Amino acid sequence: QITLKESGPTLVKPTQTLTLTCTFSGFSLYTSGVGVGWMRQPPGKALEWLAVAYWNDDKRYSPSLKTRLTITKDTSKNQVVLTMTNMDPVDTATYYCAHRPLPGQNWFDPWGQGILVTVSS
Amino acid sequence: EIVLTQSPGTLSLSPGERATLSCRASQSGSSSYLAWYQQKPGQAPRLLIYGASSRATGIPDRFSGSGSGTDFTLTISRLEPEDFAVYYCQQYGSSPWTFGQGTKVES
Repeated sequence: QITLKESGPTLVKPTQTLTLTCTFSGFSLYTSGVGVGWMRQPPGKALEWLAVAYWNDDKRYSPSLKTRLTITKDTSKNQVVLTMTNMDPVDTATYYCAHRPLPGQNWFDPWGQGILVTVSS
Repeated sequence: EIVLTQSPGTLSLSPGERATLSCRASQSGSSSYLAWYQQKPGQAPRLLIYGASSRATGIPDRFSGSGSGTDFTLTISRLEPEDFAVYYCQQYGSSPWTFGQGTKVES
């Protein structure tokens, strides 16, 4: 059974850097083709894809947020970390990590439960 | 960037009725690289359909997907009480991967 869980601060101040950790089980980033993605969802709004890290050290970022995002993986710990700099109140959202199971197929299944991050002074 | 437009925004139906949800892409990515997710309040999205028409593991066969190119459809043949939720489409044929704005199916 594949599970993922997001962890990190639930409240950050404007201009601070957000660091979120996705800890997963049931699969490995040693496995060819596998990836872990991050998405977010502002309250009452739609989903937005942020970044993905692949088994082969490749990474992709949303162009609109690329300058603020860094995604890293620790394969031995089954973790993927997302950092987002210069946080703003508009970045208030639930942040999800999710499993990307197949090479070349960037749909996500399953997803973690999400973590609500509020940006406020 | 490919923009996905879902319609209608809200679909008001009763249990047992058929639901037809639309997702239109602003341009064609890779022809059938489209997924559908279901999201209930307070929960994470759940994958229903990938490759435009392939059901994910454990998804009931009342859910079906169709379409290619720029026009895609999710059909729920007979709504069950647990199907009332928000549905999102996602394209993954062209980076950045993008989601539609969602269709709420309500009773």
